[in-house]
Amino acid sequence: TQLLEQSPQFLSIQEGENLTVYCNSSSVFSSLQWYRQEPGEGPVLLVTVVTGGEVKKLKRLTFQFGDARKDSSLHITAAQPGDTGLYLCAGGSQGNLIFGKGTKLSVKP
Amino acid sequence: DAGVIQSPRHEVTEMGQEVTLRCKPISGHNSLFWYRQTMMRGLELLIYFNNNVPIDDSGMPEDRFSAKMPNASFSTLKIQPSEPRDSAVYFCASSRTGTPYNEQFFGPGTRLTVL
Repeated sequence: TQLLEQSPQFLSIQEGENLTVYCNSSSVFSSLQWYRQEPGEGPVLLVTVVTGGEVKKLKRLTFQFGDARKDSSLHITAAQPGDTGLYLCAGGSQGNLIFGKGTKLSVKP
Repeated sequence: DAGVIQSPRHEVTEMGQEVTLRCKPISGHNSLFWYRQTMMRGLELLIYFNNNVPIDDSGMPEDRFSAKMPNASFSTLKIQPSEPRDSAVYFCASSRTGTPYNEQFFGPGTRLTVL
């Protein structure tokens, strides 16, 4: 069974701080996606990484896929209250996605 | 373009009642997914369809749950009879087969409360 473990489960920080959240698995995935979910809404895709070692940047967010394609990280620089939400990673597998349980981020002004 | 549409947004019902959740995928998408989200278990895949055909229903918790996709623009998830432990947020998502990375687009969800 393929599983994705996300850490930390909860993170509460002040505006302006930097943070990194992690997504780890013992399985290899063909691709890995990061979603952000705001309260009362469905998850929204942020980025897809597909190549081992790949780094993608989306404004203040930096996503990295591990060399072995088993893990990924999301780094946020100078977090803002608008970054608050649940961050989910999802690994591509046989036509569907395996989701982690997410990291719930709260950024206080 | 309209995104994935789900109805109702909120449903409150009593134990034993039948519940039907509805989903309209994005036009042109041919894969549809039903998920359930709870604090304890996170986002769980219940079933997914490709070209209206159920491909994997191994996540459907028990026979009380059933899902149909009679055409490319409509799907239902039915719970009969409902139980309090079914309380959760149910999401529908769609994607287009042939996109390389199975990127899914989610609806806003239906929050189900079974009393």
